[in-house]
Amino acid sequence: NAGVMQNPRHLVRRRGQEARLRCSPVKGHSHVYWYRQLPEEGLKFMVYLQKENIIDESGMPKERFSAEFPKEGPSILRIQQVVRGDSAAYFCASSRDRSYSPLHFGNGTRLTVT
Amino acid sequence: SQELEQSPQSLIVQEGKNLTINCTSSKTLYGLYWYKQKYGEGLIFLMMLQKGGEEKSHEKITAKLDEKKQQSSLHITASQPSHAGIYLCGAETSGSRLTFGEGTQLTVNP
Repeated sequence: NAGVMQNPRHLVRRRGQEARLRCSPVKGHSHVYWYRQLPEEGLKFMVYLQKENIIDESGMPKERFSAEFPKEGPSILRIQQVVRGDSAAYFCASSRDRSYSPLHFGNGTRLTVT
Repeated sequence: SQELEQSPQSLIVQEGKNLTINCTSSKTLYGLYWYKQKYGEGLIFLMMLQKGGEEKSHEKITAKLDEKKQQSSLHITASQPSHAGIYLCGAETSGSRLTFGEGTQLTVNP
């Protein structure tokens, strides 16, 4: 069984461009979470989605960031007009159930803004 | 909000030595998860603890949750270079998302 697949692994964008990060959860998992890991910092929660619904976006910056998990296809984390401070590793995780179900993490997308 | 403190922040041990990493919560833990992260990679799930006093082991790694469910420890016996990495504890919060500690960087010298 394939685990959580994230692509691309590495993404370089110039300031002002858009970044699109994709995440395909484990087959059968309908809960998707996005986390951001800044250099020398821990994992910070960004957003929790189920199919076609945003459940908790309390960790998302108010502007430029958006996430979706459509009925068909991968979950997308979109960052508009990137700035240098957006450079980080972005991890996607999925789970089968809502509670007490371990999260399965992808290998992350490393975004570098030049 | 849930806050998790891990100690130590970093640890360097000689191969074969035992070690313990601690995770302390400001609130009662309803689900405590231990993960390992290697540099440049994602998190690998190690163990989940739910009940006060619970203890789980996998190979040479043992995790415990105290009776009050506010502290967990991860113990590695006879450490090996393959144990090196960042160990993170995560806890259930409202909304069923995990909040993570800052991590403990473990180096095992051969």
